[in-house]
Amino acid sequence: DAKTTQPNSMESNEEEPVHLPCNHSTISGTDYIHWYRQLPSQGPEYVIHGLTSNVNNRMASLAIAEDRKSSTLILHRATLRDAAVYYCILSLRGGADGLTFGKGTHLIIQP
Amino acid sequence: SQTIHQWPATLVQPVGSPLSLECTVEGTSNPNLYWYRQAAGRGLQLLFYSIGIGQISSEVPQNLSASRPQDRQFILSSKKLLLSDSGFYLCAWIQGGKDGYTFGSGTRLTVV
Repeated sequence: DAKTTQPNSMESNEEEPVHLPCNHSTISGTDYIHWYRQLPSQGPEYVIHGLTSNVNNRMASLAIAEDRKSSTLILHRATLRDAAVYYCILSLRGGADGLTFGKGTHLIIQP
Repeated sequence: SQTIHQWPATLVQPVGSPLSLECTVEGTSNPNLYWYRQAAGRGLQLLFYSIGIGQISSEVPQNLSASRPQDRQFILSSKKLLLSDSGFYLCAWIQGGKDGYTFGSGTRLTVV
């Protein structure tokens, strides 16, 4: 799987938007961009995924650069429950042979 | 609805003892099943995955093995645990047409 680069940690204030960046300069044309998050002592949770176009769901939005070499996960209004490690992962859709998790971004939400 | 069960939640085992962790999925058929491990302070590492009964792919050579005796059952085993086997073990599943993986609640294994 192609590699992604994320900041180790980010801080944000409660009720403000959060933009989590991810660089993936070696992405291939068939790679989907997946985002998962992991709360302390829990398994990862699927957040969103996309290929070329921006995507929205009830949890977040995914903004994908035109050249697909970077993407941004957007939490529109952060709550304390959004404090987690966020992973940006590249894989063929669904990743049937498993996903490769990096170290992710530790998101800290200040009240 | 689809659910994934993983047990036990925590386990403390002595070095050299055997291990058996079980994962079952309900509400679906023929899922892809996965075992991941997360060592303390580190990322998730894919250990095994299975696309069907009796079909196991190993990602990392180690002291562990996996089996899939039934369509919705995935078992992680070891004959003799090592201290380095300590970690947070997670089972996950996915199926065609589904957006993302669903992970179990995990088993925290401490080998002493």
